[in-house]
Amino acid sequence: QQQVKQSPQSLIVQKGGISIINCAYENTAFDYFPWYQQFPGKGPALLIAIRPDVSEKKEGRFTISFNKSAKQFSLHIMDSQPGDSATYFCAAKLDSGYSTLTFGKGTMLLVSP
Amino acid sequence: DVKVTQSSRYLVKRTGEKVFLECVQDMDHENMFWYRQDPGLGLRLIYFSYDVKMKEKGDIPEGYSVSREKKERFSLILESASTNQTSMYLCASSTLQWDYEQYFGPGTRLTVT
Repeated sequence: QQQVKQSPQSLIVQKGGISIINCAYENTAFDYFPWYQQFPGKGPALLIAIRPDVSEKKEGRFTISFNKSAKQFSLHIMDSQPGDSATYFCAAKLDSGYSTLTFGKGTMLLVSP
Repeated sequence: DVKVTQSSRYLVKRTGEKVFLECVQDMDHENMFWYRQDPGLGLRLIYFSYDVKMKEKGDIPEGYSVSREKKERFSLILESASTNQTSMYLCASSTLQWDYEQYFGPGTRLTVT
């Protein structure tokens, strides 16, 4: 019930294409959904986050779409660039007390030139 | 610029050795976390701390312990290292208020032979 399921495990997209990474959760008590980006040799860094009271959030080329009824959320990277090649993690957080993040297993994105 | 530093980037230890992994943050954050990252398994929480001398078990605490004697420092201890503890270890910190935004260190790749 605490899991966040992420797919695909890896993704290859051509430069200029759209990268789409999907996540699903079961626990309806999750109340915050961040995405993290990790480049090789670095720790993950917060990319963008959304609360379930909005259906979409956009920051530059990165958009989170949220479907509360389906308990799914996704990251879209528009006009994907080779510099976007990284591992992406979705996560979920309970909005209560000393809550921690539950991470998906990650998606390794390669944007080919 | 915010910073989380980890004492070593690479570490090689022998089975049965006691191993200390140190993490320091300079952001005056209340929360600190230890994760391990393995291919295909994503980020798994080992322990976290929301205050000095406080610690909470994460999802995989077996074989590990932690120490937080000062606010800025959080140590992960492997009492008797085993080969199945070979992994990348990531430390992170966050404020109490914005606890979904975790700042990660660069990681320590530990090999136990």
